[in-house]
Amino acid sequence: ELKVEQNPLFLSMQEGKNYTIYCNYSTTSDRLYWYRQDPGKSLESLFVLLSNGAVKQEGRLMASLDTKARLSTLHITAAVHDLSATYFCAVGRETSGSRLTFGEGTQLTVNP
Amino acid sequence: AAGVIQSPRHLIKEKRETATLKCYPIPRHDTVYWYQQGPGQDPQFLISFYEKMQSDKGSIPDRFSAQQFSDYHSELNMSSLELGDSALYFCASSNNDGGRGTYEQYFGPGTRLTVT
Repeated sequence: ELKVEQNPLFLSMQEGKNYTIYCNYSTTSDRLYWYRQDPGKSLESLFVLLSNGAVKQEGRLMASLDTKARLSTLHITAAVHDLSATYFCAVGRETSGSRLTFGEGTQLTVNP
Repeated sequence: AAGVIQSPRHLIKEKRETATLKCYPIPRHDTVYWYQQGPGQDPQFLISFYEKMQSDKGSIPDRFSAQQFSDYHSELNMSSLELGDSALYFCASSNNDGGRGTYEQYFGPGTRLTVT
């Protein structure tokens, strides 16, 4: 059974600081996704990582994938309050209709 | 850009009642997925359909059923509702793109189901 683990689960940081969220998964997988969710809202797709060594950046967020280590990271640079949300990583397969298996989520709070 | 549409957005039912949730995927998306998210939890996969055929099945209770119709919209039918069914239900859609797609799932706004 595929397991996806994130850490930390809760992260409180000051504006302007940097931090990394880690996502480990237990079996070989084709694809790694990062989503953002605000309280009571939908899941917003941030990144799709398709191959070993993939790195993607959008604004203050950068995601990377190491398939050999079964590890993905989401790095936050110079955090701002607007980044406060819950971040999920999810693992999927290269098959039509196959499920996403989510990590527990990291609840990020950026304090002024 | 068009997004996934879900209806209703909020639903209040009593125990043992029945509920039907509807999902309209992004145009030209051929795959729909259903997820259940309890408070403070990660989304749990229920079921998916690709080209109107069931594609993958997760921990969906036998009291629930779903289907995808010829226009690609999907409905999740829930019977004999229990208090524990109270959750946010998300539909997502993706485009297989002939096997070339990223299979990226785009999520709808969700239906908040409250069972009293």
